[in-house]
Amino acid sequence: RKEVEQDPGPFNVPEGATVAFNCTYSNSASQSFFWYRQDCRKEPKLLMSVYSSGNEDGRFTAQLNRASQYISLLIRDSKLSDSATYLCVVIHSGAGSYQLTFGKGTKLSVIP
Amino acid sequence: NAGVMQNPRHLVRRRGQEARLRCSPMKGHSHVYWYRQLPEEGLKFMVYLQKENIIDESGMPKERFSAEFPKEGPSILRIQQVVRGDSAAYFCASSPYGTQNTGELFFGEGSRLTVL
Repeated sequence: RKEVEQDPGPFNVPEGATVAFNCTYSNSASQSFFWYRQDCRKEPKLLMSVYSSGNEDGRFTAQLNRASQYISLLIRDSKLSDSATYLCVVIHSGAGSYQLTFGKGTKLSVIP
Repeated sequence: NAGVMQNPRHLVRRRGQEARLRCSPMKGHSHVYWYRQLPEEGLKFMVYLQKENIIDESGMPKERFSAEFPKEGPSILRIQQVVRGDSAAYFCASSPYGTQNTGELFFGEGSRLTVL
């Protein structure tokens, strides 16, 4: 089982739609969770952290379910500019350091 | 405040040659990470360095790959005797603290290596 798994998509949605991505992780000792965004042929950038209580940032809502070991990202009222690949990221203690493990990403295309 | 600077942005090498990729972290950041991204794949951790020290190289291939972060100057990822399978985007990231404090890494735009 891969450490961090995501549905690769692509998710093709019309403007204004609501879309949700899920991510599962295998290491139950994982400590922190994040969503990053990566535009085509660009570097990843932090989108938001994911807290156990759930958190919201504008149109974006992130949820964590430790018992089931999954993380979700909900995007409401999709914009064309939301088109990107969304990377699920998990921090766990590795060999000598805390490592960020990235999922392969879920590709989102928002269509006019 | 300049971001993480990587160079070269694109590098073409023939099999057997050496590739050197450079990374200057953001000002004030002493933690540097290298990741590799193969086409259609996720980012894979390679190595974590602080000034003059390799903290974690558990993601580095055992042979041909090395990394350093000297007291002065950029961090360098060196690949000797490159093979076609080394073709990938190599991303450097920096942070002011170790990742146990925050999950935010600031990434450079990447160096895309093509091995002919």
